[in-house]
Amino acid sequence: KAGVTQTPRYLIKTRGQQVTLSCSPISGHRSVSWYQQTPGQGLQFLFEYFSETQRNKGNFPGRFSGRQFSNSRSEMNVSTLELGDSALYLCASSSQRVSTNEKLFFGSGTQLSVL
Amino acid sequence: AQTVTQSQPEMSVQEAETVTLSCTYDTSESDYYLFWYKQPPSRQMILVIRQEAYKQQNATENRFSVNFQKAAKSFSLKISDSQLGDAAMYFCAYRSADDNNDMRFGAGTRLTVKP
Repeated sequence: KAGVTQTPRYLIKTRGQQVTLSCSPISGHRSVSWYQQTPGQGLQFLFEYFSETQRNKGNFPGRFSGRQFSNSRSEMNVSTLELGDSALYLCASSSQRVSTNEKLFFGSGTQLSVL
Repeated sequence: AQTVTQSQPEMSVQEAETVTLSCTYDTSESDYYLFWYKQPPSRQMILVIRQEAYKQQNATENRFSVNFQKAAKSFSLKISDSQLGDAAMYFCAYRSADDNNDMRFGAGTRLTVKP
């Protein structure tokens, strides 16, 4: 079974631009959650999608948004990029909702640099 | 809000020896899950071990075991017979059993294994 795939692996953008990151979960998994990892703030939860619906959202501004398609693939979008958005963005999938004991399977992340 | 604290930014251990990583958390809830994740240089987070709060028995996975002290809100990870491949960042994480709660991570402990 293929693991969680995130594309692209690296991305360089400039302030004010927008960016879209992609995450393909493990086949059969319906939950996709996103996390931002920075040296200063550590790992922070962005949002979770389950069966194409956003189920939970972290404390991030509205510039951060996402969606999930019928095949469970998910995209995350950040508009009007700021320098502070530079981070590793990790995606995780699981077969059930995040609010269970279910094991999360993570991708290798997308490293976003905002110049 | 739930917080997770890892008080050891860095730890080192000699190969084949035992090391314990500390984690404490703050919560007013009685039902929750605790996890240890490992993040090697590949950046992909990997689940090491998990514990349900309602279970008194400490979880064990091969060379990895936890010391779960619910009253003290402590969840330490013990790695026995340390191997070079154990070198990584280790994150302690908390997840409420409530339906609308996300996963909270500690700041991480960087483990170095010396040959």
